[in-house]
Amino acid sequence: QLQLQASGPGLVKPSETLSLTCTVSNGSITSNNYCWGWIRQAPGKDLEWIGSICFRGSTYHNPSFKSRLTMSVDTSKKEVSLKMRSVTAADTAVYYCAGRQELLEYYFDSWGQGTLVTVSS
Amino acid sequence: DIVMTQSPESLAVSLGERATINCKSSQSIFYDFNGKNSLAWYQQKPGQPPKLLISWASTRESGVPARFSGSGSGTDFTLTISNLQAEDVAVYYCHQYYSTPDTFGHGTKLEIK
Repeated sequence: QLQLQASGPGLVKPSETLSLTCTVSNGSITSNNYCWGWIRQAPGKDLEWIGSICFRGSTYHNPSFKSRLTMSVDTSKKEVSLKMRSVTAADTAVYYCAGRQELLEYYFDSWGQGTLVTVSS
Repeated sequence: DIVMTQSPESLAVSLGERATINCKSSQSIFYDFNGKNSLAWYQQKPGQPPKLLISWASTRESGVPARFSGSGSGTDFTLTISNLQAEDVAVYYCHQYYSTPDTFGHGTKLEIK
């Protein structure tokens, strides 16, 4: 059973860059067609898809994030990373990493434990 | 973006009874290519990530009890939980993956009456 675990700094100051890591275990990070996504859940808000990346490097992000994002895969560390620039209080949320069999237009069949990020000075 | 509207927001059902959760999409999410609806249902218990229950509107994930079933097509979908068990207390979300960006419903909180 694939296991995912998101981790992050917990607290980030406004205007700074948020860096999150998703560690993949009990499975391969380089499986063909298996891709990794980031989803967040702000207090009282819907789940929000942030973006997805496949290990070969193809990425796609939610346009609502206006290119604040950088996603990458480190196959040697079995890690997926997300960097979000210029954060504001609106970026306070629990961030999840999840896996699916396509970059886009597919359901998420594995989810990691989320990590809470608070944006505050 | 496709808007997913779930109802009700919360639901209290007696043990052994049936729970019905609805999800409506702002446009059809029927995928002509494979003849399926691009809708998934997830269960989220407190302190846990969402867990996939159903994909393609009605395909139950391996290991998910048969009391969970999904139905619907086009824009209107239903998750039915028959013979409600105590462990089914959770928040349930629908998710459309027909078009990018993916969008989710606001969630339905299911409790025991």
